[in-house]
Amino acid sequence: KQEVTQIPAALSVPEGENLVLNCSFTDSAIYNLQWFRQDPGKGLTSLLLIQSSQREQTSGRLNASLDKSSGRSTLYIAASQPGDSATYLCAVIGGAQKLVFGQGTRLTINP
Amino acid sequence: EAGVTQFPSHSVIEKGQTVTLRCDPISGHDNLYWYRRVMGKEIKFLLHFVKESKQDESGMPNNRFLAERTGGTYSTLKVQPAELEDSGVYFCASSQELSGGSDTQYFGPGTRLTVL
Repeated sequence: KQEVTQIPAALSVPEGENLVLNCSFTDSAIYNLQWFRQDPGKGLTSLLLIQSSQREQTSGRLNASLDKSSGRSTLYIAASQPGDSATYLCAVIGGAQKLVFGQGTRLTINP
Repeated sequence: EAGVTQFPSHSVIEKGQTVTLRCDPISGHDNLYWYRRVMGKEIKFLLHFVKESKQDESGMPNNRFLAERTGGTYSTLKVQPAELEDSGVYFCASSQELSGGSDTQYFGPGTRLTVL
């Protein structure tokens, strides 16, 4: 059974810092890994999707990496801004086409 | 292009009552998913439709939950009778690809269900 773990559960950093969020999964047989952002009371916004054959994806200040063999992914946020404050969720999808989520990392960027 | 929409945004009902949640996927998306987040837990899969057919309903908690997708467009999720432990946020998602798991799933804003 696939399990996804995100560390840390919460993170608070000053504005302008670069930061890394971590995600690990127990079963390396995945099709892709998706990073989402959730703002309080809102739905999930897809940030990046990495196919199992890829090593990383970039979008603006965000860079996500995937090491399937070790069951790990990282989300790197450069030059953090207060607007980046949100909960970040990692999810993997396997043969059953259902996303398996971690519990998320609650990120606070302090001005 | 409109995103995934869900109705209602909030619902407060008493234990034993019935509630029906609705999801309208992105137009043209054959895949429709329901997920749920209960307090303090991670988001968990409930079921997956491909067009009007249930592809996978392994996450449905029990037979008090009934999902339908008539005509392969919008979907409803009915809880009857509702219990206290059904409280949570119910998310709907849709994706375009029919085969494999390689396509992005786009999520709606969710329906917050509170059972008193």
